[in-house]
Amino acid sequence: DAGITQSPRHKVTETGTPVTLRCHQTENHRYMYWYRQDPGHGLRLIHYSYGVKDTDKGEVSDGYSVSRSKTEDFLLTLESATSSQTSVYFCAISERNSLTGELFFGEGSRLTVL
Amino acid sequence: AQSVTQLDSQVPVFEEAPVELRCNYSSSVSVYLFWYVQYPNQGLQLLLKYLSGSTLVKGINGFEAEFNKSQTSFHLRKPSVHISDTAEYFCAVSEGGNTPLVFGKGTRLSVIA
Repeated sequence: DAGITQSPRHKVTETGTPVTLRCHQTENHRYMYWYRQDPGHGLRLIHYSYGVKDTDKGEVSDGYSVSRSKTEDFLLTLESATSSQTSVYFCAISERNSLTGELFFGEGSRLTVL
Repeated sequence: AQSVTQLDSQVPVFEEAPVELRCNYSSSVSVYLFWYVQYPNQGLQLLLKYLSGSTLVKGINGFEAEFNKSQTSFHLRKPSVHISDTAEYFCAVSEGGNTPLVFGKGTRLSVIA
């Protein structure tokens, strides 16, 4: 199994508060991704990173920011959480030099915004 | 831009019956295709993938999928399902080079005893 740890695994917060989700990998993989999963929408890409300090936006990036100061950590921040950001968030990593796009996923972080 | 359509949001099937989960994709270039499975309260794991070569791909747990370029499809099949196959299944497409995977909306397979 790929060494991917997401924290926290569950969080309940209130509208307007900041929230940071952490993804930590032990595989030294270059690429890291944040997806959100919602019923009827499948998985949608929020942001991804292709190296330290190199990030790019995905399909649903509004309201989210990311940072990657070390290879092993990729942080997702909701500056001011809204109820529409209630979701399950998955981190994924992609092997170095992979040409096939195959992803390895963490266990997910369930966020509830009241 | 690439996209994926999973034609069925839910598929109920009796135990030991065959099942097919349908997936169509669109892309202007050559693609790599994947099926992922998500068991309740877990992350996604790779079921099988098509990169090149034989169009019939075999995966874990007795699943297989066939890549059909002319019909832009990558349907997932299993000849005899078990209760333990109850899960959500996601089709995904990549244009390679570490471009992010694009996922379909998922098909929830429910196996009935």
